[in-house]
Amino acid sequence: QQQVKQSPQSLIVQKGGIPIINCAYENTAFDYFPWYQQFPGKGPALLIAIRPDVSEKKEGRFTISFNKSAKQFSLHIMDSQPGDSATYFCAASLRTDKLIFGTGTRLQVFP
Amino acid sequence: NAGVTQTPKFRVLKTGQSMTLLCAQDMNHEYMYWYRQDPGMGLRLIHYSVGEGTTAKGEVPDGYNVSRLKKQNFLLGLESAAPSQTSVYFCATRGQASYNEQFFGPGTRLTVL
Repeated sequence: QQQVKQSPQSLIVQKGGIPIINCAYENTAFDYFPWYQQFPGKGPALLIAIRPDVSEKKEGRFTISFNKSAKQFSLHIMDSQPGDSATYFCAASLRTDKLIFGTGTRLQVFP
Repeated sequence: NAGVTQTPKFRVLKTGQSMTLLCAQDMNHEYMYWYRQDPGMGLRLIHYSVGEGTTAKGEVPDGYNVSRLKKQNFLLGLESAAPSQTSVYFCATRGQASYNEQFFGPGTRLTVL
């Protein structure tokens, strides 16, 4: 009930491609779904987040798509760049509770 | 502002030794968290605090203790280190008004031999 399942574990794309990372959850009470980006040797940093009252949110080249009925959400990176190479974590939480993280996706974008 | 800082950055321990990891924040945040990160397992919550003087167990609390005597500091202790505690440890903070947006420190890489 408290798990967040993330796939794929790793992803390799060419520059300009659109990598998609998927997450699924069980607990329908979750009301906040953030994505974190982590570069090697650094701590995770919030990239973008969505609440379940909207189906899509865009910030620059990053888009979250949210499917409440399927209990799934995904991160799309438009026009991916080598600088986007990082590990991406999805997460879910109740408003005043803890974050439950997915297991991470290592993205490599080649020139 | 330094944000969230962690001390030390690296440490090697022998099995059975003890140590304390320090997390310090200058953002006046109420909530503080300790996570461990292991390959293929994401970030798992060890302990957390919702305010000065409070602590609570997370997902993987065994073998760790914490204290929050001052609002700006959150200490993670290992009383008798084991090789299974080899990991990268991250501290995070969150303001009371925010929708669980957590700010992470740079991490401590701990190896237990």
